[in-house]
Amino acid sequence: QKEVEQNSGPLSVPEGAIASLNCTYSDRGSQSFFWYRQYSGKSPELIMSIYSNGDKEDGRFTAQLNKASQYVSLLIRDSQPSDSATYLCAVNHSPGSARQLTFGSGTQLTVLP
Amino acid sequence: ETGVTQSPTHLIKTRGQQVTLRCSSQSGHNTVSWYQQALGQGPQFIFQYYREEENGRGNFPPRFSGLQFPNYSSELNVNALELDDSALYLCASSGADTQYFGPGTRLTVL
Repeated sequence: QKEVEQNSGPLSVPEGAIASLNCTYSDRGSQSFFWYRQYSGKSPELIMSIYSNGDKEDGRFTAQLNKASQYVSLLIRDSQPSDSATYLCAVNHSPGSARQLTFGSGTQLTVLP
Repeated sequence: ETGVTQSPTHLIKTRGQQVTLRCSSQSGHNTVSWYQQALGQGPQFIFQYYREEENGRGNFPPRFSGLQFPNYSSELNVNALELDDSALYLCASSGADTQYFGPGTRLTVL
């Protein structure tokens, strides 16, 4: 059973702080990793993708990948109330054309004004 | 906006009925995946279609079936609905590795 685990939260941070979201996965053969943001009642929205070990930065968001530790994280700098949402970690276990994503159950983030 | 559309937005059915959900993929995307998201959970992979062929299936029973059409739009069919089928059904289209989700269809089974 290929699993993706996220810290269950909920996580609350004050406005302007750094929010740190973590994810571990069980399948060492996993190829690619994604973070999605999901507002209540809406569908998931892609924030970041990462494929290689190390950090990848996009604006206020930084994704970190450590394949040896089977660990992915998302840092949100200068958190804003509009960042309040559920963050989903997704892992593509399938090489080739079958791009099956396995999702964690999500971490609910609240940014307090 | 991802360019992925789904219909209907909401649907209420009774146990034992059948339902068809529809998805139009983003222009240029030839792969469509369907996911089921129960309340408080992450999406679960149902199956994927690539160029009108099923290209991977998750742990869902055969009463969940699908189709993809030549224009890459897709349908998800669920027969003999059960109460546990109540969920948000998400369609995602992809041209390469990244999947973009439509707005979803909220299905309630009474």
